[in-house]
Amino acid sequence: NAGVTQTPKFQVLKTGQSMTLQCAQDMNHNSMYWYRQDPGMGLRLIYYSASEGTTDKGEVPNGYNVSRLNKREFSLRLESAAPSQTSVYFCASNWRPDTQYFGPGTRLTVL
Amino acid sequence: QKEVEQDPGPLSVPEGAIVSLNCTYSNSAFQYFMWYRQYSRKGPELLMYTYSSGNKEDGRFTAQVDKSSKYISLFIRDSQPSDSATYLCAMDYGQNFVFGPGTRLSVLP
Repeated sequence: NAGVTQTPKFQVLKTGQSMTLQCAQDMNHNSMYWYRQDPGMGLRLIYYSASEGTTDKGEVPNGYNVSRLNKREFSLRLESAAPSQTSVYFCASNWRPDTQYFGPGTRLTVL
Repeated sequence: QKEVEQDPGPLSVPEGAIVSLNCTYSNSAFQYFMWYRQYSRKGPELLMYTYSSGNKEDGRFTAQVDKSSKYISLFIRDSQPSDSATYLCAMDYGQNFVFGPGTRLSVLP
């Protein structure tokens, strides 16, 4: 099992450009999550999907959109990137409330 | 006040020391308590979880939860250089996961 995979690993954007971060899991988990991690701030939840076909906002959803394409895949889109969105983005999934499995992360820089 | 507070460190200890990592929280609705370890430039990995007050032991790691004081701890016995990482506490109710900022630990040989 690959677990949770994310693409790309690194990305540099210019202000105003758009991009989609891809996430896939092969553990048959119902729930999937997108977090951003900034120095001193810890992990902050952007959006989550409790099951296929549903999505909900987390703590910091502004500037982002998500799509739960199927049970395996959950994508995060930045429509018009801003320097404040420079961060490391992690996707996670779970099937029980006391644990999550994380992907390796995407390092995004917005110039 | 943040929902979850954690001393960011850095914390440096000699090999073999007992390490104590702590978090406090303010939301009494939290039901599940977790500790994650994150190596540099990697994703977090789950170390331990618990959902009741008391102690839970797994090898060299012990997780402790005191719901009355809203305080959780992770103890690492016989610490090793390979334990050098950032340790994140996390708490959850429903789908609302909240993470502490992490404590950076260095175990010196």
